[in-house]
Amino acid sequence: EPEVTQTPSHQVTQMGQEVILRCVPISNHLYFYWYRQILGQKVEFLVSFYNNEISEKSEIFDDQFSVERPDGSNFTLKIRSTKLEDSAMYFCASRRDRQGEQYFGPGTRLTVT
Amino acid sequence: GESVGLHLPTLSVQEGDNSIINCAYSNSASDYFIWYKQESGKGPQFIIDIRSNMDKRQGQRVTVLLNKTVKHLSLQIAATQPGDSAVYFCAEILNTGFQKLVFGTGTRLLVSP
Repeated sequence: EPEVTQTPSHQVTQMGQEVILRCVPISNHLYFYWYRQILGQKVEFLVSFYNNEISEKSEIFDDQFSVERPDGSNFTLKIRSTKLEDSAMYFCASRRDRQGEQYFGPGTRLTVT
Repeated sequence: GESVGLHLPTLSVQEGDNSIINCAYSNSASDYFIWYKQESGKGPQFIIDIRSNMDKRQGQRVTVLLNKTVKHLSLQIAATQPGDSAVYFCAEILNTGFQKLVFGTGTRLLVSP
């Protein structure tokens, strides 16, 4: 069964450093999402991406964040200068069409020290 | 505003019991609701969904009930098994934009043998 994959599973970085979190959505999916989950809290929407552009973003997704689909398979989330409060699980999700189910990846745990 | 919340943070049941997990939502414009299961260290996994034009939907061992009058959603799990132990989130979607998920806080279900 096709699945969303994410790498790395765990990333440790120092405050102020740039990180890139990678996702490979399911191959025939067209809608892509990033969510994050701070430990013990609910999953929060960050950004949605469709047709090679951001379609919606949350207040969390400030100028330090960017997303890119550099080729036909990868979908990346970049944090330019990490802060301690960026420590969280980051989930990528994809969906085939506008009404379909969102499939989540296993997540990347980002720890900022 | 956007607000989806859960009444019980932890639910403990015996194997074989039926479980009921509740959720309140505040956005009356939401027209699509989903229950997700999240096991430790994994991403959210789709369980069942329901559209606002329905009040009940059944799956395999799971039933979702929607009461739009009081903006309440519930997930019923029949004959609960130890493998059902996880955190369960309800999520809502507005039928606008690119359908980001708005998650509730989550309920931890603990099933003892």
